[in-house]
Formats: sequence, C-alpha cells, structure tokens
Amino acid sequence: NAGVTQTPKFRVLKTGQSMTLLCAQDMNHEYMYWYRQDPGMGLRLIHYSVGEGTTAKGEVPDGYNVSRLKKQNFLLGLESAAPSQTSVYFCASSYGGLYGYTFGSGTRLTVV
Amino acid sequence: AQSVAQPEDQVNVAEGNPLTVKCTYSVSGNPYLFWYVQYPNRGLQFLLKYITGDNLVKGSYGFEAEFNKSQTSFHLKKPSALVSDSALYFCAVNKAAGNKLTFGGGTRVLVKP
Repeated sequence: NAGVTQTPKFRVLKTGQSMTLLCAQDMNHEYMYWYRQDPGMGLRLIHYSVGEGTTAKGEVPDGYNVSRLKKQNFLLGLESAAPSQTSVYFCASSYGGLYGYTFGSGTRLTVV
Repeated sequence: AQSVAQPEDQVNVAEGNPLTVKCTYSVSGNPYLFWYVQYPNRGLQFLLKYITGDNLVKGSYGFEAEFNKSQTSFHLKKPSALVSDSALYFCAVNKAAGNKLTFGGGTRVLVKP
C-alpha cells in the first residue's frame, strides 16, 4: 500500500525552465491537493481537485498549472520557473472533509 | 473564511514533562479539527482529529487534544514528552461539509533529554 507517491523528490531548475511534478495515489481518493511549504509560512494551498477532470485554484495559484486526467494522478506544472518558487511541495489526497489528508513525502525544488 | 493560529513558533520542554501545543481556530459553523506532525525531511503524518462527540480526543503516540468550543481552541497535549517527539506540529481546520483544510503556521517542539 504505497499511499501518496511524489516524483521527483529533489530538483534544481534554472530560472525560466519548466517542469512537472507528479503525484499518484492508490487509495481511490476523490480529492487531491498541492501545497507549498516555506519557512515561517506553514502550508499554503496552490491548487486542488475534487474529482477526475476538475481543478480549482487555491491560495497561491499564480505561476502554476495543474491537471487531473486520471483519478489517481494530480500533476503540478511550472511553465517558467522563478526563484520565488523555491520551496518544498507536498501533495495530499482525501476521501473528503471528515477524513483528513494523506500526504506524500514532498518534493524539494530549488530554482536558481 | 476559515483560519488557524498557532501562537508559539517553538516550544521547549524537558523529557518526561508535560507537552502542550496551542491552537485556536476560526470557522463558520461546526469545525473539523486535525493535528499533524512532520519529522525532518518527511511529509505530514496524521495524529488525531475532532469531528463531533467527546471533547477529549486521543490519538497516535500518546497524544491527545481537547476541543473547547467557547474558546475556539484545540490544544495538543502529551502527559510525558519524549525526545523522539521533537518535530514540527501543525493544527488544521475544515468546516463541516468542506473539503479544504486550512493549516496553522506550525509549532516546532524541541524535547531536551
């Protein structure tokens, strides 16, 4: 039972490069989320999805895009990376409000 | 809008002493409240939750939390802290029937031998 798997675990990008972070869950959860974690700022919601084929903006969506073509996968894209996007990114999934989230182990992204 | 406040950036406690991590929340309607723990270079792990019922909730690793509706608080407690409890702790709130958790800024706990 893998839970929530994030790839890659680490990445260094140059300013202006693009990349995609992949999140996969094997728990048949409807809801999936992307957060970023920065020192002193806790977790901030970037985008989320309430089901296959649906996405919505969170608290800090600018500079990111997402897709949920399959229920088990939630992709986070950076079209043109900026140093301000240096962060640790966490994916989470859930059955819904009562159940809380299951988190992945995170992706540490550095943009130079 | 919903929000969570964790007023202490860091809590220091001696091993064997009681540990308390404070959390207050703001949400319309009935809250669902959660505590998560994050060890270094790891994702967040679920500790416990309050949905309804008994105000004292027991969770993993000997932790418990008390829901206080009048004070809008959900403080995390452990009667006797261990060095291995040193980690970053997050409180989170969701409104009933909502599907997005709002997290506090986190409290770093340091348990000294």
